Parts: sequence; structure tokens; C-alpha cells
Amino acid sequence: GEDVEQSLFLSVREGDSSVINCTYTDSSSTYLYWYKQEPGAGLQLLTYIFSNMDMKQDQRLTVLLNKKDKHLSLRIADTQTGDSAIYFCAEIISWGKLQFGAGTQVVVTP
Amino acid sequence: EPEVTQTPSHQVTQMGQEVILRCVPISNHLYFYWYRQILGQKVEFLVSFYNNEISEKSEIFDDQFSVERPDGSNFTLKIRSTKLEDSAMYFCASSGQIAEGTEAFFGQGTRLTVV
Repeated sequence: GEDVEQSLFLSVREGDSSVINCTYTDSSSTYLYWYKQEPGAGLQLLTYIFSNMDMKQDQRLTVLLNKKDKHLSLRIADTQTGDSAIYFCAEIISWGKLQFGAGTQVVVTP
Repeated sequence: EPEVTQTPSHQVTQMGQEVILRCVPISNHLYFYWYRQILGQKVEFLVSFYNNEISEKSEIFDDQFSVERPDGSNFTLKIRSTKLEDSAMYFCASSGQIAEGTEAFFGQGTRLTVV
């Protein structure tokens, strides 16, 4: 069936790089997304990648896509305390319908 | 920057009561969605809406749920007779023309607590 899996927790020191991993199941997904959720807030779209790309870079964010292994990762360079949040990986099942992972809680320590 | 707004931010209701959650999507968007997130669980798709009708709905979206676009700006989710298990954060989202891709913008959410 359709499922998106993520590790639940990541602790990282301020200034280090964070890498959040995700696996998905629907090989026909055209878009894959990363959303950020800060405490008490909604879902903020961070970045997305089209399935014909292997990598996308956007300032401190780098998305890597391995279609063969159905593996998606988000790297945050120079992690800051403001990056502490839950990060959701999502794949598109049909237009507008996203399948989300359970989210990875990222805690940035000084 | 345009954004999706939801009201109220938190609603407490008694079991069996009807609730209406309100959303104002981004003004030039045509596709609207509701998702929910039960505490500690995944964000789950409920329904998508386009051209004044439901495009797709999940198995969660049973007869107790309905959606409406009563005017040109609001998009509502109604739960007719709330159950304890309806307690969750409900997110509204919208997206633009399908040609632009399927980037969905989410609101801040309404936390529904059924007691």
C-alpha cells in the first residue's frame, strides 16, 4: 500500500548539518515535498522536488532523490535553533492528495 | 505574502454537536483540501474540492462530514455529529492552477477538541 516512512527524532548541534531521511512507496509520484511544522503552527512548505530530478538546492536546503531506492532526504546546512521543528516528507498520490510521513522531530542544541 | 487562513484556531465542542470549521483559501486558487492530524499521528488526507464539487475523498470522510464553498472566498468543513475520535488538528489547504504543479499551501490549522 501507500506509505511514507521517516525516522521520528533527530538531535543536532547548532552549526552542524542535519539530514532527515524518508522512504516512499509510490514510484509514480511526480512531486515529493518537505514541510516544516513549528510548535502550534501550520504546515509550511519548505521545498519540493520533481521526480525527474536527483537533487535540488535552495539556500541552506538540499534535497536528494534516489528513485531506484525510493529514498528522499533533506539536508539543512548550518542548522540554527530556529530550525527546531517537525519535518514532514510527503509524496503526491493524485493531484492535491498528499501522503505524509509521521514527521521527524528535529531538536537543535546549542 | 498570500496565505490560507483558518478560524477558529481552537474549538471545543460536546460530543454529538455539529461543528463548522472555516477556511479562506488563497484568492486565486481553485483547488481546496482538508487534512487532519490526530495528536501524535500522521497528517491524513480527508477531501479535495474543485469546481464546487468533491474530487476525491478518503475513507475517513464519511457521511458525517461535508464541505461547502458557500461564497467566493470561504471553504468550510462540517462535522454533523462529532465523536471523541474527531478530536484533531484540521488543516485547510489550497493550490493554484494544476499547470503550476501541485504545490499546496496550508493554513495554521484548527484544533478541534470533542469532550
